[in-house]
Amino acid sequence: DAGVIQSPRHEVTEMGQEVTLRCKPISGHNSLFWYRQTMMRGLELLIYFNNNVPIDDSGMPEDRFSAKMPNASFSTLKIQPSEPRDSAVYFCASRLLGQPNEKLFFGSGTQLSVL
Amino acid sequence: EDQVTQSPEALRLQEGESSSLNCSYTVSGLRGLFWYRQDPGKGPEFLFTLYSAGEEKEKERLKATLTKKESFLHITAPKPEDSATYLCAVQAGGFGNEKLTFGTGTRLTIIP
Repeated sequence: DAGVIQSPRHEVTEMGQEVTLRCKPISGHNSLFWYRQTMMRGLELLIYFNNNVPIDDSGMPEDRFSAKMPNASFSTLKIQPSEPRDSAVYFCASRLLGQPNEKLFFGSGTQLSVL
Repeated sequence: EDQVTQSPEALRLQEGESSSLNCSYTVSGLRGLFWYRQDPGKGPEFLFTLYSAGEEKEKERLKATLTKKESFLHITAPKPEDSATYLCAVQAGGFGNEKLTFGTGTRLTIIP
């Protein structure tokens, strides 16, 4: 199993540019999460989907952030326009609903730097 | 709002020196408490899930315990390869609630 796959691994962009982060969950998983990690705030949940449907987007900081899951094997997180304070590591995670121990499998993350 | 506080922020131990990491939580109806390990440049990796006070789980040199207000991750005779950041997370009860709230972690360094 390839695990959760995120791309790109690193993204450096200038303020005001559009940024798109991508995620491929583990095959068969039907719940997908986007987290953001910073030193100050740790891991913060941005949004999660069950069966491709957004369930809770209360963690999305502003309208500049949007996420989609067009099918069970792909999700995107878009920031438009980007700002320096968006610099962080963005993680995607997936799991199978109803698993006994309900554990999340994380990708390796996208390190985003907005200059 | 669910809250998770981990202490200490950082801990340095000599190889073989046992210690404990703390995770205090406030949650409306605990459904599960999770421990993860995170190595630099990688995503968190699952260690344990605890569901009710009094429960304990072990894996190699790690043992996790749970009370109604906190969880401990005990590390016995640690080795340098145990160096990592250890994250605690809680999931509140309620049908369909899949959200995990994480603490900021404890950065553990084991000195050979």
